[in-house]
Amino acid sequence: QSVLTQPPSASGTPGQRVTISCSGSSSNIGSNTVNWYQQLPGKAPQLLIYTNNQRPSGVPDRFSGSKSGTSASLAISGLQSEDEADYYCAVWDDSLDAVVFGGGTKVTVL
Amino acid sequence: EVQVVQPGAEMKKPGESLQISCKGSGYSFSTYRIGWVRQRPGKGLEYLGIISPHDSDVTYSPSFQGQVTISVDKSISTAYLQWSSLKASDTAVYYCARISVPTVMDVWGLGTTVTVSS
Repeated sequence: QSVLTQPPSASGTPGQRVTISCSGSSSNIGSNTVNWYQQLPGKAPQLLIYTNNQRPSGVPDRFSGSKSGTSASLAISGLQSEDEADYYCAVWDDSLDAVVFGGGTKVTVL
Repeated sequence: EVQVVQPGAEMKKPGESLQISCKGSGYSFSTYRIGWVRQRPGKGLEYLGIISPHDSDVTYSPSFQGQVTISVDKSISTAYLQWSSLKASDTAVYYCARISVPTVMDVWGLGTTVTVSS
């Protein structure tokens, strides 16, 4: 059971907008910044969004992140077939003194 | 190019010890912490702990405290993850990642697949 709650799956057709939620608590999302990681099939995870809403160089601007209170969201606009992957939110938890990951959301492009 | 390099795979028997490595290159190794993450087959990501190469300070996840040992040799820009007595349940892919402040894992290794089987 993960400290951060994500839906196990999400899907959309090419071009659609997909949103993934990440729900936490005051000891993690409520007091620290959220990062998102993308894991393509059979590959290592890679940084997708950091500090709630910043994109590393090379990440397309169709990916965006937001945070409000104890929840965060990742949005993929203009969904593309190459976006099929697992997506994880992660944040520092002040009570556990550790990074906590969400359980991951598998995005399928229909 | 900034990268962290890990060996591809290790196969061990239950009860054996193991140390896997994570070598940083292309950046000032002592400036960035290194984190370790486990991914069991078909499962999600789990955080094991973080080490600071500068002073070897380690913080473990409560779930992994006492289960693994994280260390570093900054003279060769390498961090390590160690088990003293492996169990079948340790079978997983183990990733190391460079950590930028505050806890952004910005550069990931390809992972080391550890298989523990009799």
